[in-house]
Amino acid sequence: QSVLTQPPSASGTPGQRVTISCSGSSSNIGSTTVNWYQQLPGTAPKLLIYGYNQRPSGVPDRFSGSKSGTSASLAISGLQSEDEADYYCAAWDDSLNGVVFGGGTKLTVL
Amino acid sequence: QVQLVESGGGVVQPGRSLRLSCAASGFSFSTYAMHWVRQAPGRGLEWVAFIWYDGSNKYYADSVKGRFTISRDNSKNTLFLQMNSLRAEDTAVYYCAGDPPSSGYALDYWGQGTLVTVSS
Repeated sequence: QSVLTQPPSASGTPGQRVTISCSGSSSNIGSTTVNWYQQLPGTAPKLLIYGYNQRPSGVPDRFSGSKSGTSASLAISGLQSEDEADYYCAAWDDSLNGVVFGGGTKLTVL
Repeated sequence: QVQLVESGGGVVQPGRSLRLSCAASGFSFSTYAMHWVRQAPGRGLEWVAFIWYDGSNKYYADSVKGRFTISRDNSKNTLFLQMNSLRAEDTAVYYCAGDPPSSGYALDYWGQGTLVTVSS
């Protein structure tokens, strides 16, 4: 049981916009920024979104993040086949004194 | 070119110990906090431990507290994870990851991972 809650799966067709939610609490999302990671099959995770909707160099602006209260969302616009991957949200938790991850969302591009 | 290369994984019996290493290059290792994150087969990511850039503070997941120890040698650009009293549930790919200053715990550099299998 993960501290941050994500839907186990999501899907969309090429060109569509999809969102992935991440629900937490006042000790994590409610008090700090949320980071998002993309993990392509058989590879290490990659930082996708950090801080206040910032993207590392090389991440397309099709990816964006938002937060409201104790929930956060990752939006992917103009969905492409190469976006098919697992996506994880993460944040620092003040009560646990550690990083907490969501359970991950498997995105399928139909 | 940034590189994080983990080593030290393998098959170990329950109750035994293993020490993982992570060799860093291509970035200012001594200014980065560092983390270990693991992923059990077919499962999601689980944070394991975190050490400040200078080694002065360390934090652990409850699942490994008292059994695992994170450390670093900035003179050798290397991160370590000493794992004692290993259990079957510690079986996972272990990744080291770099956390730059003031990033809000954003792990922007990752190694390729090393597999630890705990089995008799």
